[in-house]
Amino acid sequence: DAKTTQPPSMDCAEGRAANLPCNHSTISGNEYVYWYRQIHSQGPQYIIHGLKNNETNEMASLIITEDRKSSTLILPHATLRDTAVYYCIVRVGVRNYGGSQGNLIFGKGTKLSVKP
Amino acid sequence: DTGVSQDPRHKITKRGQNVTFRCDPISEHNRLYWYRQTLGQGPEFLTYFQNEAQLEKSRLLSDRFSAERPKGSFSTLEIQRTEQGDSAMYLCASSLAGLAETSSTDTQYFGPGTRLTVL
Repeated sequence: DAKTTQPPSMDCAEGRAANLPCNHSTISGNEYVYWYRQIHSQGPQYIIHGLKNNETNEMASLIITEDRKSSTLILPHATLRDTAVYYCIVRVGVRNYGGSQGNLIFGKGTKLSVKP
Repeated sequence: DTGVSQDPRHKITKRGQNVTFRCDPISEHNRLYWYRQTLGQGPEFLTYFQNEAQLEKSRLLSDRFSAERPKGSFSTLEIQRTEQGDSAMYLCASSLAGLAETSSTDTQYFGPGTRLTVL
């Protein structure tokens, strides 16, 4: 089962920031928080990941609380093309060659609708 | 920039037939993953390879399913005696995992998927 809890849906106005929350209260010290999104009928697209510190890239920012029990994905200026299902995934760090636990466990995600 | 590619993109088959899908990972990525996604659900893990070794299989991977990665590059997923319940999107992802002794993480990049419809 997925180790994260996300709201099933959210709306956001075009041009505004979209803040997508995720709860992962049972996260362990060596588990990373990953975000992917999936636009209808396409493969999941990697957005960002983090362990402890906040992270930012060209797509989004990831804010992780100090206790690491929750996080927020921020799309600073949402566009219509950001309409998608967003998945928050907690994943154990993978060990070196020969290790397992490599897979991602997806939940149902949050369906973000960006409206004009 | 060549990402993960999958072929075919769509496959329609009749129940009982065998089908084979191909995945070409990002060049030099040593890990390759297969997932399945049914309508309204998130992707579910099936199996993964590190180079040519198949390291983990999900219980979803029944004995009708087989995956190979013979030379550590492209991979194939075969489904024998297809059933209507096999209708789904089959997704492939690849990553570059380090060889350090310490735990780390690798980011998986997904292909566009192969949509299978079993009639």
